[in-house]
Amino acid sequence: QQQVKQSPQSLIVQKGGISIINCAYENTAFDYFPWYQQFPGKGPALLIAIRPDVSEKKEGRFTISFNKSAKQFSLHIMDSQPGDSATYFCAARRNTGTASKLTFGTGTRLQVTL
Amino acid sequence: DAGVIQSPRHEVTEMGQEVTLRCKPISGHNSLFWYRQTMMRGLELLIYFNNNVPIDDSGMPEDRFSAKMPNASFSTLKIQPSEPRDSAVYFCASTPDRGGGANVLTFGAGSRLTVL
Repeated sequence: QQQVKQSPQSLIVQKGGISIINCAYENTAFDYFPWYQQFPGKGPALLIAIRPDVSEKKEGRFTISFNKSAKQFSLHIMDSQPGDSATYFCAARRNTGTASKLTFGTGTRLQVTL
Repeated sequence: DAGVIQSPRHEVTEMGQEVTLRCKPISGHNSLFWYRQTMMRGLELLIYFNNNVPIDDSGMPEDRFSAKMPNASFSTLKIQPSEPRDSAVYFCASTPDRGGGANVLTFGAGSRLTVL
């Protein structure tokens, strides 16, 4: 069962443009929503995260928008740069009481062209 | 901090052979996770440990897969016997999360396994 659905699968954006990646979840027990960035040959690295009691979080050029009622959240990359070219994963965390379990989306491969 | 350390980085083996992947979590992190990444299925959680105890192994695909965490600084993922469909990148990740904090996973660089 795919609990976190991510789209699009791939995205090509021109330098300076806005990249938008969308995710939707089903389980209302999720309590934390991080985004990870992965470069080729590397492990995913935490980029930005949001709690469901906040509708938006901004860190530099990266913004998460969160819609709790719709169970959707999205990543916006403003002024996209070639160095942003990577695979982006949304995730949702469920607190099990003994550890936090992350469920990942399927990933979006972003290419920023000159 | 050296981060999460995985070895080997690359492993090529033949079908039927035993494969052992190793992970050293970040010191002080008490939860450790093993993920598998493939093009078809993305990032899949295989198993996770809390304080060296396996908590949830429901993601382990078959009995051919086993994982251990003998102490707080070392974990292994073993595949015996290996099959071509096990070819993937295996990631280890750790977190100091004790079940309610905002800390999220820190991943290692991964072990790329190719089974011929």
